[in-house]
Amino acid sequence: EAGVVQSPRYKIIEKKQPVAFWCNPISGHNTLYWYRQNLGQGPELLIRYENEEAVDDSQLPKDRFSAERLKGVDSTLKIQPAELGDSAVYLCASSSRWGTISTDTQYFGPGTRLTVL
Amino acid sequence: GQQVMQIPQYQHVQEGEDFTTYCNSSTTLSNIQWYKQRPGGHPVFLIQLVKSGEVKKQKRLTFQFGEAKKNSSLHITATQTTDVGTYFCAGPDSGTYKYIFGTGTRLKVLA
Repeated sequence: EAGVVQSPRYKIIEKKQPVAFWCNPISGHNTLYWYRQNLGQGPELLIRYENEEAVDDSQLPKDRFSAERLKGVDSTLKIQPAELGDSAVYLCASSSRWGTISTDTQYFGPGTRLTVL
Repeated sequence: GQQVMQIPQYQHVQEGEDFTTYCNSSTTLSNIQWYKQRPGGHPVFLIQLVKSGEVKKQKRLTFQFGEAKKNSSLHITATQTTDVGTYFCAGPDSGTYKYIFGTGTRLKVLA
């Protein structure tokens, strides 16, 4: 079974430029998460989807970040415009939850390492 | 807001020594997961604990979930160089269901 796929793996851009990350979750997983991980820190949840619905986006900086999960499968996270402080690894994870909290095991993709110059 | 702290932040051990990391949440968790992240890698799921006071073992690893479901621990017996990495606890707040990762414990094992 294929794992969570993310692309690109690395991205270098200049500040004020836009950037987008793509995630394909494990087949059948209805819940998708986007995290940001700064060096030496734990992942910070940006947004969580259950199917097409964003059920928790309280940590998403909505002035410059946006996300979508059309059709409840693939997802895209966008930053426009990027700032120097956005340099981090952006992780996507998926899990299979059907109304019960007890099956919240998350499987992570390899991440996209973003460098903003 | 909700915080999940882990101690210690760093730990260096000699190969063969035991290691323990502690996870403390400011709020009650519905369940708790433990993840391991190797340098340059992504978090990999280790185990999930759901019940108050639950204890689970995986070979040399022992996981505990506190009675109040606000703390947890991971104990590694006789560490090996392959245990190197950062160990994170994580879980959803039982009231808000906000999912949060702990601050992590970085383990180095000296051969």
